[in-house]
Amino acid sequence: DTEVTQTPKHLVMGMTNKKSLKCEQHMGHRAMYWYKQKAKKPPELMFVYSYEKLSINESVPSRFSPECPNSSLLNLHLHALQPEDSALYLCASSQWAYNEQFFGPGTRLTVL
Amino acid sequence: EDQVTQSPEALRLQEGESSSLNCSYTVSGLRGLFWYRQDPGKGPEFLFTLYSAGEEKEKERLKATLTKKESFLHITAPKPEDSATYLCAVQAEETSGSRLTFGEGTQLTVNP
Repeated sequence: DTEVTQTPKHLVMGMTNKKSLKCEQHMGHRAMYWYKQKAKKPPELMFVYSYEKLSINESVPSRFSPECPNSSLLNLHLHALQPEDSALYLCASSQWAYNEQFFGPGTRLTVL
Repeated sequence: EDQVTQSPEALRLQEGESSSLNCSYTVSGLRGLFWYRQDPGKGPEFLFTLYSAGEEKEKERLKATLTKKESFLHITAPKPEDSATYLCAVQAEETSGSRLTFGEGTQLTVNP
């Protein structure tokens, strides 16, 4: 089973709201990722967790806060976002840090 | 700095008309090259990993090849359901963690 699930599929939030995106995989992968993708652009890496520890933060603004509660789950907490943060947010996982990454279906986020 | 250039940006084919997509890369040392397919509004779907020059992989109508400077994705007798954006990404040996450098993608349209 090469499935990564993400919830919700769509999210609309105001600039003062707090919301969370969730990602889950049951493939036993030890690396998990958050990406942001704008229309007609490739995915941009935001965070990498390896063995449940944050290993890469690509200088992402603090209004995005990642969390890895266990090896199967990854959250992205959102607070005080800006309209330019509207995008497709993708979660991915890989067996180890250097293997192919498997992506989830994404969460379409709109910030009003 | 690692770079990936995909060409053409967009390609229109008639059903059954075979063609190739190109991915040229510059990387200090290649750890792996990955091909993904992405449908609009969805997460990228993993297709192939190539590790060394001369390697080839096939899946249904798709065949990926690798040289020291570029990779090709050959599409044989395409069908309308092959319409998607195809993304190429490289991972360098010296990269910190598991960063992927993506190309901008090739948008493929197959007309019936």
